Formats: sequence, C-alpha cells, structure tokens
Amino acid sequence: NAGVMQNPRHLVRRRGQEARLRCSPVKGHSHVYWYRQLPEEGLKFMVYLQKENIIDESGMPKERFSAEFPKEGPSILRIQQVVRGDSAAYFCASSPPGKVGQSYGYTFGSGTRLTVV
Amino acid sequence: DAKTTQPNSMESNEEEPVHLPCNHSTISGTDYIHWYRQLPSQGPEYVIHGLTSNVNNRMASLAIAEDRKSSTLILHRATLRDAAVYYCILRDGDAGNMLTFGGGTRLMVKP
Repeated sequence: NAGVMQNPRHLVRRRGQEARLRCSPVKGHSHVYWYRQLPEEGLKFMVYLQKENIIDESGMPKERFSAEFPKEGPSILRIQQVVRGDSAAYFCASSPPGKVGQSYGYTFGSGTRLTVV
Repeated sequence: DAKTTQPNSMESNEEEPVHLPCNHSTISGTDYIHWYRQLPSQGPEYVIHGLTSNVNNRMASLAIAEDRKSSTLILHRATLRDAAVYYCILRDGDAGNMLTFGGGTRLMVKP
C-alpha cells in the first residue's frame, strides 16, 4: 500500500515565481489536508479538502495561496508570487471518509520543502 | 479542538520504557485522544488514538485516566529511532476533521 505521495521533495523558487505542490492521497482516502511548518516552528493547518470541494480553508493566507483536489488526479497547493517568508515545509495528509462519532488516524506525506531565493 | 498540555522535552535511556504525559482537563465527551510523532526532517506519523479505554498497538500503548483529563503514551523500550517530537491532540469525533498541533514533547534518547 502506497502512503501519501508528495512531490517534489524539494523545490527552489525565485521571488515572484509560482510554486505548485502536489499530493496524492492514500488509495481510497477522499479527505486531504495541507499543513505548513516554518523553520523551527510547529505545524499549522492550512486547508481541508474533499474531492472537488474545499471544506475548511481557515488557515490559508487570503492572498496568493490556493488549493484544489480535483475529481481525478492529485491535490495541488499553489502559491503565486512567492516571497521569502513562504519558505517552509508543506505537508499533506489524507484520511478515509468516516462516520460522525468515529475517529481515525491521518497518514502524512514526507513533505515538500520550499525554498524561496 | 480542546487544548492539551505537554512537557517541552524529556530524556530517556535506550531500551528503557518511556512515559510521555499529556493533560487535557477541558476534554469533552466526544473528544478522541490522538498521538502523533515527527522524526527529524520527516512528516508526522500516526502513533495511536483512543477514547476511554487503554489501547495497545505495535508502536505504543495509550493509558487514559478514568476521568479522561490526562493520558500517557508509553513506549515500552525506547530506541534511538524513537527520538522525535510527540504530539498529543484532541479531536472531536462529531465536529470538523482537522488536527490542531501544539508544541509537543521533544523526546531525546540516550544510548
């Protein structure tokens, strides 16, 4: 069973360029979450998606950041016009659909380390 | 998600048991107790979760206090590969599905 696959593992972008981070969830998982971890800091929730829907984007910066999880293909986190402060590790996690009242573990990917120069 | 309190860091000797505490005095009846760990330069890894009863799996054991206001993650024999940041997280089984990470406990394992 393949886990959550994130690519690329490392991404270097110049200021002002666009960054696209991809996440393929565990097969059968329909829920995807994106987290950001700044250097020497904790994990911060960004966005929660189900197939073709954004469920919760309360942690996403209002500008330059967007996320999608299309019916076919991986989830994409897109950062436009990157700045040095966007340099961080971005982690994706997936979970299966569940019933209210249940709880289940998330599977995280190995992350994409974005460096803005 | 309700708040949890963990020590910033702990030390252990290799091949000895480790008890990682977590306080969650404001836990609600529908909150599950989750533990994740993050090894250096890696993504978080699910360890274990429970609701009321103690739980065991191949990685660890979770002991939950009778009043559920605290819990302890038990690593039965620490190895150097267990050195990581361990996060205790409450997740409401009835509400939205995201995990909220706090500062966690940095576990150092001495050979």
